[in-house]
Amino acid sequence: SAVISQKPSRDICQRGTSLTIQCQVDSQVTMMFWYRQQPGQSLTLIATANQGSEATYESGFVIDKFPISRPNLTFSTLTVSNMSPEDSSIYLCSVENRAAGPEQYFGPGTRLTVT
Amino acid sequence: ILNVEQSPQSLHVQEGDSTNFTCSFPSSNFYALHWYRWETAKSPEALFVMTLNGDEKKKGRISATLNTKEGYSYLYIKGSQPEDSATYLCAFVNQGGKLIFGQGTELSVKP
Repeated sequence: SAVISQKPSRDICQRGTSLTIQCQVDSQVTMMFWYRQQPGQSLTLIATANQGSEATYESGFVIDKFPISRPNLTFSTLTVSNMSPEDSSIYLCSVENRAAGPEQYFGPGTRLTVT
Repeated sequence: ILNVEQSPQSLHVQEGDSTNFTCSFPSSNFYALHWYRWETAKSPEALFVMTLNGDEKKKGRISATLNTKEGYSYLYIKGSQPEDSATYLCAFVNQGGKLIFGQGTELSVKP
């Protein structure tokens, strides 16, 4: 399994500001993903972070709002831009090594509150 | 639109009770089903990955079954303990490889 850390673990932000969340993995992985869980909702995939190229976004999510970087095989960032209270969620990164099997491992999450 | 439904939404049991939850998912385009346990402030922990119809998996007091033809999976906990208190998530994986999560079942085990 992979050990994943996220920073920050939680934050309270003012509306209109942006927050960048970092995800670090202890080993090289093929796939990295970003999810969010809004209060009372399912975990929802935001995008797949592609190493060296633009992320692949799911329906309803756009690059201007959630820019993602993945400079190498162990690190990715997600920025939540121009935040509003509706962005208050838990944001999680996850990783998968397709060659090793279908398991997907998650970081501990970043709990974001926008006031 | 793919729907993954979990029931019940929440469950309160006494220590020692056995319990089970349901995950229903689309029966077409199936690749795998994941079960996770998610405790507050921790990472979701992978419990099982199930791929074959009729699969049964066991990990200590927790077991799961899979029926891909009718589109459901059951998770069982035998002799619940307070440390089992968590949210249990299932995720359907289609042939495209994306995980689609249910809303989870929140389990509370009282000593």
